[in-house]
Amino acid sequence: GAGVSQSPSNKVTEKGKDVELRCDPISGHTALYWYRQRLGQGLEFLIYFQGNSAPDKSGLPSDRFSAERTGESVSTLTIQRTQQEDSAVYLCASSLDRVRKLFFGSGTQLSVL
Amino acid sequence: DAKTTQPTSMDCAEGRAANLPCNHSTISGNEYVYWYRQIHSQGPQYIIHGLKNNETNEMASLIITEDRKSSTLILPHATLRDTAVYYCIVRVNAGNMLTFGGGTRLMVKP
Repeated sequence: GAGVSQSPSNKVTEKGKDVELRCDPISGHTALYWYRQRLGQGLEFLIYFQGNSAPDKSGLPSDRFSAERTGESVSTLTIQRTQQEDSAVYLCASSLDRVRKLFFGSGTQLSVL
Repeated sequence: DAKTTQPTSMDCAEGRAANLPCNHSTISGNEYVYWYRQIHSQGPQYIIHGLKNNETNEMASLIITEDRKSSTLILPHATLRDTAVYYCIVRVNAGNMLTFGGGTRLMVKP
């Protein structure tokens, strides 16, 4: 597809369960970002991948959060032992290496009951 | 990254120009000014960016003051579909993530 694709679009889970969110960036984009947005709040940076460099994990809120990316393709964000405060929209964005224009997906709405 | 300050909210009449200000008084010489917007229930969308010259594209114009300490995003003929949160961000044009602040909630009214 032409844009950043995220799946699922909605995820409802029970407290304590693990969830995995997926992001398909735009083909050729070497940079990939994950952000979190709680209801009514701004965007909170989580993690950044740039090519084969070590990812910038400085925004991950706890060790329950992890993310992987294989090369310049799909990324998965995993949240273990979900808590109610993890409920939010998780947004993925990608960009070309030297161009700072980010293209965002539509996000995954995560609800932890 | 330089911190930005934006009004929390603004109103604009449909068809009129919307002028959204942003202060970035601590901006460095190699930092660009970026504008994104987020329409309800969607991911943010890139609008425009600039370094020191004024910029214009099909969506908006960006006016940066000569000392680069502030800028204004101009939507020349606002429509109801321009109702969104507008984020002003300053960042060097390489490296890591963009940091989104609180933004300005623009309400375009008929």
